[in-house]
Amino acid sequence: AQSVAQPEDQVNVAEGNPLTVKCTYSVSGNPYLFWYVQYPNRGLQFLLKYITGDNLVKGSYGFEAEFNKSQTSFHLKKPSALVSDSALYFCAVRANSGYSTLTFGKGTMLLVSP
Amino acid sequence: NAGVTQTPKFRILKIGQSMTLQCAQDMNHNYMYWYRQDPGMGLKLIYYSVGAGITDKGEVPNGYNVSRSTTEDFPLRLELAAPSQTSVYFCASRDPGSSYEQYFGPGTRLTVT
Repeated sequence: AQSVAQPEDQVNVAEGNPLTVKCTYSVSGNPYLFWYVQYPNRGLQFLLKYITGDNLVKGSYGFEAEFNKSQTSFHLKKPSALVSDSALYFCAVRANSGYSTLTFGKGTMLLVSP
Repeated sequence: NAGVTQTPKFRILKIGQSMTLQCAQDMNHNYMYWYRQDPGMGLKLIYYSVGAGITDKGEVPNGYNVSRSTTEDFPLRLELAAPSQTSVYFCASRDPGSSYEQYFGPGTRLTVT
């Protein structure tokens, strides 16, 4: 079975500072990894994905994530946080076979203070 | 394109009532999904479909049913609603030939009392 762990319920950062939201995963075979963001009372929006290739992937709104196979991690990062980045962030994983479905983490609330 | 649409946005049900949550997408995606979101629990997959006439159970299917008669529509049926089904329900779709990201609807907030 595949699983995702987001060890922090909440991350607090000041505007302008770098941010990291952590994610580790467990899956058989090579993983497909995703980050989604959810703003209040909205559906999830895709941010970025890792399928194969470069371990550093860039996504929407200046976010990036680093795939680390040895540590089975896929941490979300941004060099300079904005207040508007405050939202709920979900990491998700799927196996790269068949009709494999996405498994989501519990989510991490990011709060960026002015 | 409207993307993925869901109706209703909000609903309050009494215990034992039934209802259907509607989901439609206009992107011609074959794959569609139903999730429920509970606070601190992330998203749990209820049912999914890989094409018209094909559905399969996800992680938490009990108390729910689905059908997929067309590519566009994927309704979720709740029979005999229970308080444990109080949640926010999200429908999603994706194109199996593309790069795997799912597109989500705005959600339906359901309360069972």
